[in-house]
Amino acid sequence: SQQGEEDPQALSIQEGENATMNCSYKTSINNLQWYRQNSGRGLVHLILIRSNEREKHSGRLRVTLDTSKKSSSLLITASRAADTASYFCATALNQAGTALIFGKGTTLSVSS
Amino acid sequence: GAVVSQHPSRVICKSGTSVKIECRSLDFQATTMFWYRQFPKQSLMLMATSNEGSKATYEQGVEKDKFLINHASLTLSTLTVTSAHPEDSSFYICSARIWQGDTEAFFGQGTRLTVV
Repeated sequence: SQQGEEDPQALSIQEGENATMNCSYKTSINNLQWYRQNSGRGLVHLILIRSNEREKHSGRLRVTLDTSKKSSSLLITASRAADTASYFCATALNQAGTALIFGKGTTLSVSS
Repeated sequence: GAVVSQHPSRVICKSGTSVKIECRSLDFQATTMFWYRQFPKQSLMLMATSNEGSKATYEQGVEKDKFLINHASLTLSTLTVTSAHPEDSSFYICSARIWQGDTEAFFGQGTRLTVV
């Protein structure tokens, strides 16, 4: 099962520009997480935001969470070619030990 | 950070054979592990939750007799794709969480299965 949608599905930008990806989900959550996946590889955790938080920063990443709209956004500032990857949001439900449920993902291409 | 090791990273097998994929938590104990499947250019789909010492919980539409899961110890879960067919070709990824409240999940490197 999947939680919801991410948009855009694909995003192409130039180095130095900012990239914004959005994620919507359907159920109540404990936290929302963003992951990055390079082609054919495993996932790398980027940032976790709890349901009682509205915004969080980590380096060039900024994540927002709006639980009333059941949506989140990931902003990557001053993008680099090395940021080229697929980005997924994942939600953890309000039950201990449950799996993360992933959104459909956004494929980001950063041109140098 | 915690490490989850998955092997093999790639495997090619003939139709009708079985393939075993291992997922190990290297520096923590994982009573629960998760198996995902990912088709090209798609997201991760949860297949099953692997519970140490008990039966796995499968998601709707996932054949438990086709995808055998064994979680024999606190650091090892295995997924066996039985009687593999070309449509089973996919990227399989395992995951584990250190349950101490809100935590990230740690993922294996994934296994690219090709059935010919």
